[in-house]
Formats: sequence, C-alpha cells, structure tokens
Amino acid sequence: EVQLVESGGGLVQPGGSLRLSCAASGFTFTDCSINWVRQAPGKGLEWVSYINSNSRTVYYADSVKGRFTISRDNAKNSLYLQMNSLTADDTAVYYCARQPYDNGAVGSFDYWGQGTLVAVSS
Amino acid sequence: QSALTQPASVSGSPGQSITISCTGTSSDIGRYNYVSWYQQHPGKAPKLIVFDLDTRPSGVSNRFSGSKSGNTASLTISGLQAEDEADYYCASFTSSMTQVFGAGTKVTVL
Repeated sequence: EVQLVESGGGLVQPGGSLRLSCAASGFTFTDCSINWVRQAPGKGLEWVSYINSNSRTVYYADSVKGRFTISRDNAKNSLYLQMNSLTADDTAVYYCARQPYDNGAVGSFDYWGQGTLVAVSS
Repeated sequence: QSALTQPASVSGSPGQSITISCTGTSSDIGRYNYVSWYQQHPGKAPKLIVFDLDTRPSGVSNRFSGSKSGNTASLTISGLQAEDEADYYCASFTSSMTQVFGAGTKVTVL
C-alpha cells in the first residue's frame, strides 16, 4: 500500500523557518518524482515545489522561490521542504504528492499524504 | 502563473449530470492535453479522478469523464450521487514545466 506521511508542521513566527518531512512507503521511491502542494485554510490547492528522482531537476512556484528548498534522501525514502523567511501567506496544510513517473516535469499526483499544518503567526 | 478559472459552485439533483468548466490559457490547457481533476471531501486529502485529460485511474467510477475544447477543460459527473458532494479542482501542465490548479468548485447534491 502506497503511503506518504508528512511531519514537521507547527506554529512559527513571521520570518522564521521550518523543515517539513514526508516519509514514503509501499512503492519504489526512486521511480517517482515527488511534489509539495499546499492549501491555505478555506482556500484552494497551490502547487509549491517538485523534485525528480535523482534530485537534479527541481521547480518552485514563484510565491516560494528563493525562500523554500526541496530535497530528498532516496536511501531513507524521504522528501523534505526547508521553508525560510515565512510569512502569514505561507499558512497552509502542506501535502506531499507522488507522481507515478519521473520525466523531469510536473504531472498529475496519484497519491497524497494526509498533510501537515503550518501556521505562521506572532 | 495565474490560477485556472472554475465556477465557485455547481449543483444538481441525484441522477442528473453536471459539468464543471476549467478555463486556462494557450500556455496551459490550450497547449497540452495534460489536464487532471481532483476530488476533495472536507478534511481529507485530494483524490485524483481524471488525468491526461480523459483517463480515469483504476477504481474511479466511469461516471466521471473529462474533455477539452480550446482553452477550457470540463469534468462531467453523470448519475450524480450523494457521495459526489465535494470540492473539485482542475489542474494543468504549463509551458513552465509546472502545474497550475483551478480555484476549485463546490459540488452540491440537492
């Protein structure tokens, strides 16, 4: 069974940093690209970042470029999102989402984690 | 990249068919057939119900179907059921090699 389990969310002050993790199981991690997608409270989905299987190709939404860094550890079947210079606009549930293939571009997401809430507030 | 445009809400009676539109540009929907649709029930993670414009993942009901005309994609739900009441999001591949989502449509079963 494919599972994606996010962790690391919490309350952080504006300007602060947070590192999210996503533990994957039930599939061959190195066969897939992985993404982060977020959803602000009561709002729609926003794609945030992408990383391909060997970490050589990454993409970011303009809203987080220069502040967020995506990475993965294939030996640990894990995905990460380092978030710096956080603002209230970054408050959201953050989901990791799997692409069932790895072609260097952001595609559809066939499995999602349950999400982890990041709240930016003083 | 601006969000794709979806109606805020669509409603229908059980057994009816409804269609949700998703309007983009010539840089996303108009250029590629890589449109996907997601269903999200309250408090749950999104679920992929259509990808590559008109392909359903294994296990998804054939009551869901996708199509496209020009810069607008559509999701049709036929034989509407109470369990279909949820939020629906479209998404498209873009010329920047990324994805853009629609703002979401709330489907209400009357």
